[in-house]
This record gives sequence, structure tokens and C-alpha cells, in this order.
Amino acid sequence: AQSVSQHNHHVILSEAASLELGCNYSYGGTVNLFWYVQYPGQHLQLLLKYFSGDPLVKGIKGFEAEFIKSKFSFNLRKPSVQWSDTAEYFCAVNAQAGTALIFGKGTTLSVSS
Amino acid sequence: DTAVSQTPKYLVTQMGNDKSIKCEQNLGHDTMYWYKQDSKKFLKIMFSYNNKELIINETVPNRFSPKSPDKAHLNLHINSLELGDSAVYFCASSQDFGQAYEQYFGPGTRLTVT
Repeated sequence: AQSVSQHNHHVILSEAASLELGCNYSYGGTVNLFWYVQYPGQHLQLLLKYFSGDPLVKGIKGFEAEFIKSKFSFNLRKPSVQWSDTAEYFCAVNAQAGTALIFGKGTTLSVSS
Repeated sequence: DTAVSQTPKYLVTQMGNDKSIKCEQNLGHDTMYWYKQDSKKFLKIMFSYNNKELIINETVPNRFSPKSPDKAHLNLHINSLELGDSAVYFCASSQDFGQAYEQYFGPGTRLTVT
């Protein structure tokens, strides 16, 4: 069965610090990969996605993620975080063969100004 | 215009009651989903409908029954509510199923069972 692991449960950063959130998945076949963000009191929004092609994917608000197939990883990065990036971040995966979206348990990011 | 809407936003009810949550999408999508987010913010798929047909039914108590009257609507009815049903329920939709389509989420319904 597919699973998604997010290594960091809670990350606390100061503004302008760099961010990297880890995500690993377990599935032997071809996958689609997503990062969603949930700002306090709001619904989930897509940050970025990887289907195929360039493994370095750029999303909204300055976020990017790199798909490393050999490591089954899809880590999220941002060079300089802002206070407004405080949110819950979810990595998700589904198999291109057609399955439900499986979410990781989320990482809470707190950015202090 | 709201893409995926849910009603109600908050629902407080007592154990044993029956309640429904409604979801509507105006994106013209073929596939709709229900997710449950527990108190630890873990999101898990419950059901998925494609063109009004049930295609995903995870291990969910049969007290939960989804209904899709048309492609734009997916409602969730819960019988005999229990304390453990307290959670945030998210509806989502995507253009199709089985492909690499983004899912669009509704604002969520916070259900509290007392």
C-alpha cells in the first residue's frame, strides 16, 4: 500500500530563514506528487505538483520542490520564509495508475517576525 | 465565485443524532471526494464519486453514506453520530479520476459531537 512520510512534525523559523520540508513516499510505480498548504482557518490550496518532466518544480509564493526518484522523495523548499507562510503543509501522492490521493500527516510551520 | 462549497461550516450535535453535510462544485468536474481531517490534522480519503458512481469507499463505518444526486453535488449523511466522528470534513473535486489532476478543496465542515 502507498504511504507518505513527512519527517518534520513542527518547524519553527525566523523570517528570512530558508525552509526545507521532507517528504518520502512508498510506491514502486509511477506517481503524481503534490504539496498542499492549509493556512489557519482556511481550506487546502495547491502549492505545486509534479507529474513528469523536469524534477524541479516551481509553485506559487516562491515555493519549489525537487523530485528525486532514487530516494522516493519530494522535498519542499523556499529560500526565504515570511511570517505569512505560517501554515500546515501536506505532501500527497497518487499513483498514475489511478488511486486516491494519499496525504502525509502534515508539517506545521511557524514563522516568527 | 466559490469553486467548491460546503454547508454547514460548523455543525454541533449530540451523540446518536443523524446529520448531513452538503457539497457543491461549480467547476464542471467529474470527480468528487470526501476527506476526514482528525484532531491531529491527518487527512484521509473516505469516498470518491466519478460521474455519480462510487469509485472509492475506504474503510469507513456504514453509518456514513455518501450520495451524489448529480455530478456537481456530493452529500455526506451520517447516522447515529459518535464522539469519534468529531472532525473536519473536506469535500474536494477534480476534473477526472485516474489521471494527474489537481484536487480543489472546499472550506471544510467542522463537526463536533457532544
